[in-house]
Amino acid sequence: SYELTQPPSVSVSPGQSASITCSGDTLDNKYVCWYQQKPGQSPVLVIYEDTKRPSGIPERFSGSNSGNTATLTISGTQPMDEADYYCQTWHSNNGVFGGGTKLTVL
Amino acid sequence: EVRLVESGGGLVKPGGSLRLSCAASGFTFSTYSMNWVRQAPGRGLEWVSSISSTSQYIFYADSVKGRLTISRDNAKNSLYLRMNSLRVEDTAVYYCARDLGGRDVRGGDVWGQGTTVTVSS
Repeated sequence: SYELTQPPSVSVSPGQSASITCSGDTLDNKYVCWYQQKPGQSPVLVIYEDTKRPSGIPERFSGSNSGNTATLTISGTQPMDEADYYCQTWHSNNGVFGGGTKLTVL
Repeated sequence: EVRLVESGGGLVKPGGSLRLSCAASGFTFSTYSMNWVRQAPGRGLEWVSSISSTSQYIFYADSVKGRLTISRDNAKNSLYLRMNSLRVEDTAVYYCARDLGGRDVRGGDVWGQGTTVTVSS
């Protein structure tokens, strides 16, 4: 079965850039989306189709997808960005999630 | 306001059944694909099932195939998940989500608050 691999945790200082990776075989042949989930809340879509931001998502969130790795970048990270982040793609008629990355802003 | 509201969760014994519902409002439900996604306690997100706008395309995760059935009623703006032969490992919060894709998942841009299913003897 297809797998997406994310680092379990990433730490960043406020105001710095954070990058969260998502790796999968020939991932750049597929669309990737990213979700933010804060404790006790439903997920929020922050990036879809690799690079697009839904309305209402701050410009500091951006995405890329090249080779086997998709990357979510948060520029000028704010304390409110502390959350779990999940990547997702579609493979062989299955929606596949990465294991999630806990972003700590400290 | 665009909104999804799940209902139907609860406590059920292994082997039992439940039917989850997701009521949509504030958008043209019949033009969107919909997903069910679950999250076991303390775990990550798991895709469960997807259904296209006209129910032409329906897909399931291997872990639920043959036991869970997704359906929709566009006249009632509602999405359903019929759950049979439930197992302890089906215990999770179940979310419905509107998807930006057609046949494939492109991203869930609207999510409900979730409904909790607990399978325990």
